Amino acid sequence: SQQGEEDPQALSIQEGENATMNCSYKTSINNLQWYRQNSGRGLVHLILIRSNEREKHSGRLRVTLDTSKKSSSLLITASRAADTASYFCATEKQTGANNLFFGTGTRLTVIP
Amino acid sequence: NAGVTQTPKFQVLKTGQSMTLQCAQDMNHEYMSWYRQDPGMGLRLIHYSVGAGITDQGEVPNGYNVSRSTTEDFPLRLLSAAPSQTSVYFCASSRTLATSTDTQYFGPGTRLTVL
Repeated sequence: SQQGEEDPQALSIQEGENATMNCSYKTSINNLQWYRQNSGRGLVHLILIRSNEREKHSGRLRVTLDTSKKSSSLLITASRAADTASYFCATEKQTGANNLFFGTGTRLTVIP
Repeated sequence: NAGVTQTPKFQVLKTGQSMTLQCAQDMNHEYMSWYRQDPGMGLRLIHYSVGAGITDQGEVPNGYNVSRSTTEDFPLRLLSAAPSQTSVYFCASSRTLATSTDTQYFGPGTRLTVL
């Protein structure tokens, strides 16, 4: 079963606007990561937030984590056309093998 | 460094055929893994390896075999291809299994179609 679910499935915004994507997961985690995938390409790691952290920033990216609600959000500020991609959250569960479990992704389109 | 490389980029098989998807990394990473990506399903872990000679099953291992004879290579074998194995396959590697500290690097993917 999928560990993470992203919401919305697809998002279309104008260049310069902010984009927010959400991720919900089911079990307790050690950390949560966000990846970007450009069409036809592999995934690229964006940012990692540990279970004891609530917010993290990296450039135009802001990630929040609410372990009580088992949810995370990724905010991309001042979006650019080059941000057009699919975004996935991935979680490392606290129990069992320390592998990543990926969500279903949000397809972001930034219109120039 | 070339990073993580995968071959072939595209492959079409007939049901029942076997083939090997190749994956190599030149970063001396201990941890390597294979995922499949299906529409609306995200990535699912097939098999992984924490070092040469060590492999283990992920979420969806049935119909696939792996081996890890060297640190650099981690081939994925389809024993008898089925249409349900039509997917995009990604190989990934990281320095160790510690995802809290070591970023996973993904290859460009292999798009497989089974007729």
